[in-house]
Amino acid sequence: AQSVAQPEDQVNVAEGNPLTVKCTYSVSGNPYLFWYVQYPNRGLQFLLKYITGDNLVKGSYGFEAEFNKSQTSFHLKKPSALVSDSALYFCAVRDSGNTPLVFGKGTRLSVIA
Amino acid sequence: DAGVIQSPRHEVTEMGQEVTLRCKPISGHDYLFWYRQTMMRGLELLIYFNNNVPIDDSGMPEDRFSAKMPNASFSTLKIQPSEPRDSAVYFCASRPPFGQGGADTQYFGPGTRLTVL
Repeated sequence: AQSVAQPEDQVNVAEGNPLTVKCTYSVSGNPYLFWYVQYPNRGLQFLLKYITGDNLVKGSYGFEAEFNKSQTSFHLKKPSALVSDSALYFCAVRDSGNTPLVFGKGTRLSVIA
Repeated sequence: DAGVIQSPRHEVTEMGQEVTLRCKPISGHDYLFWYRQTMMRGLELLIYFNNNVPIDDSGMPEDRFSAKMPNASFSTLKIQPSEPRDSAVYFCASRPPFGQGGADTQYFGPGTRLTVL
């Protein structure tokens, strides 16, 4: 069975500082990994994904994520946080078959001016 | 494209009433997913369809919940009778066919916020 762990319920970071939101996963076979962002009263928006290739994936709004197979991690990063990045972030995984995404519980990011 | 469309955006009802949530997936997508989001349980997959056929409904909490997809452009999630613990945000998502561009990615609707009093 596939699973995702987001160990932090909340991450606080000062504006301009780098941010990291952590994610580890468990899946049989090759993982398909995703990050989504949810702003208040909105649906989930796709940020980026890793399917194959370069371990460093770049996505929307200056976000990137690094796939680390040995540590089964897919941490989300941004070099310089903005107040507007404050939102709920979800990591998700599926295997290479036609299965649905399995989501983590989400991490609330708060960027303080 | 208009994206995944859900209606209503907000629904307030009384315990015991029937509730029907609606979803229009992105045109050409052949997978449709229903999720429920609560503070306690996070984002849970309820059921998903492929080519209008239910594939896995093991996440549907009880017999009070049912979902249909009569055609490729419309799906409903029905709760009958509704209970206060059903209060949540319900999301619909769709995904393109395998082999098509972006086939890996699920696209979400804006959600329906359901409150059962």
